[in-house]
Amino acid sequence: AQSVTQLDSQVPVFEEAPVELRCNYSSSVSVYLFWYVQYPNQGLQLLLKYLSGSTLVKSINGFEAEFNKSQTSFHLRKPSVHISDTAEYFCAVSGRDFNKFYFGSGTKLNVKP
Amino acid sequence: GAVVSQHPSRVICKSGTSVKIECRSLDFQATTMFWYRQFPKQSLMLMATSNEGSKATYEQGVEKDKFLINHASLTLSTLTVTSAHPEDSSFYICSANRGLYGYTFGSGTRLTVV
Repeated sequence: AQSVTQLDSQVPVFEEAPVELRCNYSSSVSVYLFWYVQYPNQGLQLLLKYLSGSTLVKSINGFEAEFNKSQTSFHLRKPSVHISDTAEYFCAVSGRDFNKFYFGSGTKLNVKP
Repeated sequence: GAVVSQHPSRVICKSGTSVKIECRSLDFQATTMFWYRQFPKQSLMLMATSNEGSKATYEQGVEKDKFLINHASLTLSTLTVTSAHPEDSSFYICSANRGLYGYTFGSGTRLTVV
């Protein structure tokens, strides 16, 4: 079975500052890794994913995450955040069959002006 | 893009009554849908996998007689919380499997049982 740990439940940060949202996973098999974002009153939206290939993956709005197999981590980073990035971010892991997702408890990113 | 519509977004019900939550895929067919539950400050926990035209597969510890799932068509799955109690108060969210395109999630339903 897989599990995901997001140690930070809330991360306050000022606009234009860098941010890192931490995600660690445990699994006995190879996995796929995902970051989802949930804006207020909306569903979860896929932000980025790692399936294979380059361990650094990027989203269209400036976020990036790096798969680190030795540290079993998939931290999410952005060099300069905007007010519009305020949302809750969920890290998730799936087995290669895509049948089940296991989510972390989420990290609320609060970007202050 | 693909949209999954979940209704209602919020519901308050009395203890002992039943509540139905709908999950619709609006512009694609979903043979498989998933139902999750999230308690405050906890992860989204998979409750069950809903398969069109067949019985749902429940995760360990989830009462199938309490959480009835019906997936009668390729675009609709419903979750009925029967004889709801305050401990069933939670955030319920569905997702649809779009194969190689990944998963699309509904906006969730906040259930409060009083």
